[in-house]
Amino acid sequence: SQELEQSPQSLIVQEGKNLTINCTSSKTLYGLYWYKQKYGEGLIFLMMLQKGGEEKSHEKITAKLDEKKQQSSLHITASQPSHAGIYLCGATVGNEKLTFGTGTRLTIIP
Amino acid sequence: GAVVSQHPSWVICKSGTSVKIECRSLDFQATTMFWYRQFPKQSLMLMATSNEGSKATYEQGVEKDKFLINHASLTLSTLTVTSAHPEDSSFYICSAPLQLNTEAFFGQGTRLTVV
Repeated sequence: SQELEQSPQSLIVQEGKNLTINCTSSKTLYGLYWYKQKYGEGLIFLMMLQKGGEEKSHEKITAKLDEKKQQSSLHITASQPSHAGIYLCGATVGNEKLTFGTGTRLTIIP
Repeated sequence: GAVVSQHPSWVICKSGTSVKIECRSLDFQATTMFWYRQFPKQSLMLMATSNEGSKATYEQGVEKDKFLINHASLTLSTLTVTSAHPEDSSFYICSAPLQLNTEAFFGQGTRLTVV
């Protein structure tokens, strides 16, 4: 089974600063998804990447998928308190099952 | 976007009893739904794939007889935790994609506490 490793596991960032979260797979990905969750609540879909080298942005969040489709990064610019939460990368490897990475807990401090 | 509704959002039950959790796709048909479990401060762990009209596919290590999944219609999948024990206490969440290998929509999750 494919494994997704996220780094860092937790991140504390001062408000207004930029940050990056990484997601690495041991296998080539069919689709890479980024979700945000506040613990104990449902997941909020952020972005989906499928093509090698693809990059997508929404408001202050940018996600990239490398050419080999094994690594993705999520970058937040000028972080705000509303960005706090758990960020999860998920992936399908052609078998249609969406499995998740280890998660990154983001805390924004004033 | 599409809506997936999960019910109940939280439940407390006694050891030995069974609990049923429902997952409904409100505005689209879902031939496949996924059930996840999440422990505190951990990521989501895929438990099983629910297939409409056929048996569910369970991930390795997940007990089929303990976590009964039924996908009786194109808009409803249920997860029944049978003979619940305190170690079954967790956050359970379902998801359904509009189409396979596209964005999956998630329910609100169910917090199960077994006392």
